[in-house]
This record gives sequence, structure tokens and C-alpha cells, in this order.
Amino acid sequence: QKEVEQNSGPLSVPEGAIASLNCTYSDRGSQSFFWYRQYSGKSPELIMFIYSNGDKEDGRFTAQLNKASQYVSLLIRDSQPSDSATYLCAVNRGTNAGKSTFGDGTTLTVKP
Amino acid sequence: EAGVVQSPRYKIIEKKQPVAFWCNPISGHNTLYWYLQNLGQGPELLIRYENEEAVDDSQLPKDRFSAERLKGVDSTLKIQPAELGDSAVYLCASSRGVSETQYFGPGTRLLVL
Repeated sequence: QKEVEQNSGPLSVPEGAIASLNCTYSDRGSQSFFWYRQYSGKSPELIMFIYSNGDKEDGRFTAQLNKASQYVSLLIRDSQPSDSATYLCAVNRGTNAGKSTFGDGTTLTVKP
Repeated sequence: EAGVVQSPRYKIIEKKQPVAFWCNPISGHNTLYWYLQNLGQGPELLIRYENEEAVDDSQLPKDRFSAERLKGVDSTLKIQPAELGDSAVYLCASSRGVSETQYFGPGTRLLVL
């Protein structure tokens, strides 16, 4: 079992819909959680991080964390074709972003 | 602010040959990371530097991989000899500190024939 699990997808949603991306992790000691977006052929870029249980909103993006259930999710509201990318979940034992373990990503396609 | 610079962007070599990748981090970023990313997978940390000190190299295959960060700025990752399984994208990232946001470079795509 991988330390960080994500559905590989592809996840396809129509433009304007809500895209829901999920991630589960195995290390109960994990404390910080990151979502990266990676366009095809490009490098990852951080879009959100969350440390505490509950929701964290940033524009059209909402990260949700449930440490008891060991899952973290990313919701993208009003999805746009430009959101089509692979979304990587990364989990860390501390607030040290440098020691993150990445999932293999979920590929999202937003259809016009 | 200029981003993380990596070169070369692409490299094709025959197996058993040596290869080197270069990374110039964002100015003022003390922490530098080298990752390996295989197709369809997430990045895997190879080594992390704090200034010129390698503080986490547990995932670096030391029999064939080596890295250095002289003067705590630029870094070089070397593979000698390369194997077919080393074909991947090698990503460099930097951050102001170990708990700060990482910024990734464009990566070097390596193909070993």
C-alpha cells in the first residue's frame, strides 16, 4: 500500500461543475497536507495547503481535511477548462514541506 | 523574480554513460531539493540541501547517484553509470526555508537508451 493514495482518474466534469479530488494517507502522524497542480509536461505548482481539520477556502478552491479518517480532499468550484491538469496530493509528518510524500495524482479534465 | 532554472531540459544518453543535471535556485532560497518523477507518478525526493549541507539523502541511490551544492547556491546531480530505469524527469525545487513553499523548476527529461 502506498503511503498516499489517489484515484488516478481521469476525472471528467463539465465546465461550471464542482470537481472533487480525494486523497487518503496511511501515516497517522501526518500533520500537513498540500495540493499541487501539474499541467502536462510542466512542473508542479502549489495551490493549497492545510494543517487543521475542517475546510480551508481560497477562491474557487476548498481543501478539506479529516485526520480521524485520514483523508484530504480538494474541491474546485465553477470548474474551467484551464483547470484541466493532474492534481497531486502531498502529505508531511510536520510543517516541513520539504519532506512531503506525494501521491501519484488525479488527472482532471474539464469539458467546455 | 526569476524562477528555478534547470539545464539541460532534455537529455538522451546510452546506458552506462554518465549524465549531469544543473539547477540554479531562486535567489535567496536556502533549501534546495532534487526529485525524480516517473511518468504517471508523483515526485519522489532524492536529496534535500539546507545551504550547502545535504540534510536528507536517504532516497538517493548512492552507488550511482551523487549530488553537490557548492557555496550553497547552484547544485548538480550526477548519475554514473546511467541505467535504463533512470529514464524519468528530474525536478529541482527551492524554498526560502524548509517549511516554506517549494517552487519547482521545469525539470530535465532524461531518456536512457
